Amino acid sequence: DSGVTQTPKHLITATGQRVTLRCSPRSGDLSVYWYQQSLDQGLQFLIHYYNGEERAKGNILERFSAQQFPDLHSELNLSSLELGDSALYFCASSVGLAGATDTQYFGPGTRLTVL
Amino acid sequence: GENVEQHPSTLSVQEGDSAVIKCTYSDSASNYFPWYKQELGKRPQLIIDIRSNVGEKKDQRIAVTLNKTAKHFSLHITETQPEDSAVYFCAAKGENTGFQKLVFGTGTRLLVSP
Repeated sequence: DSGVTQTPKHLITATGQRVTLRCSPRSGDLSVYWYQQSLDQGLQFLIHYYNGEERAKGNILERFSAQQFPDLHSELNLSSLELGDSALYFCASSVGLAGATDTQYFGPGTRLTVL
Repeated sequence: GENVEQHPSTLSVQEGDSAVIKCTYSDSASNYFPWYKQELGKRPQLIIDIRSNVGEKKDQRIAVTLNKTAKHFSLHITETQPEDSAVYFCAAKGENTGFQKLVFGTGTRLLVSP
C-alpha cells in the first residue's frame, strides 16, 4: 500500500457523460500527478499540481481538467467522454519540492470504461 | 523535451536466468531515474531508483546502472523468479521538464518461465 488513495476503483459510463476521479495523496505530500494508461500502453502524463497550483501539463485534452484543493486532495474531471477515453487513470504523489529528485508513489488507479 | 526509449518491448527468460532492460534518455540535464514494476491491473510500484551522482545501485537481486555520458541506464535482475513476471517501466526527470514530471519509457513485458 503506497498511501495514495483513489476513488472510485471502477467507473462505467456512456459517451458524452462527465465523470470525476478523486485522489488523496500520501500524508505530507504536496504534489499530485495524474497519468492515463490505455490498454497495453505506457503511462501518459496528464497534469501536475503542487500545493494547489498547476505546475506542468502534459498530453491532457481540453475536455479534461483537474484541480487540487486546500486539503491537497485532487480531482480529475473528464467531460464529453468518448470511447477512446476508456483507460486506467492513476494519480501519484510526492513530497514535491521543486528541483528535488523526489519519488512518486502511485495510487491503485481508477478503471474508466466508456460504453 | 525529454524523450525516453526503452528496449526490449518483451523479454522471455527461464527461471534463474538474468534479465536486462535498457533505456536511453535525451535530456542531459536529467538527474533522477526510477524503475517501476507493474503487474496486470495493478499500480506501478517503485522497485529501485538512481540519481545522477552515482553510477550503480543494488538492492538484493535488482541493480541499476547509469552511464551519463552515453545517456543510458539499465535494470538488471539476477536469479529471476516467476513472480518477477510483470511490465517494467523506466523513467527520467530533469531540468527540461522543470523537474516537474517523470517521462516514462514504453515498458518491457518480462515473462519468467519456470
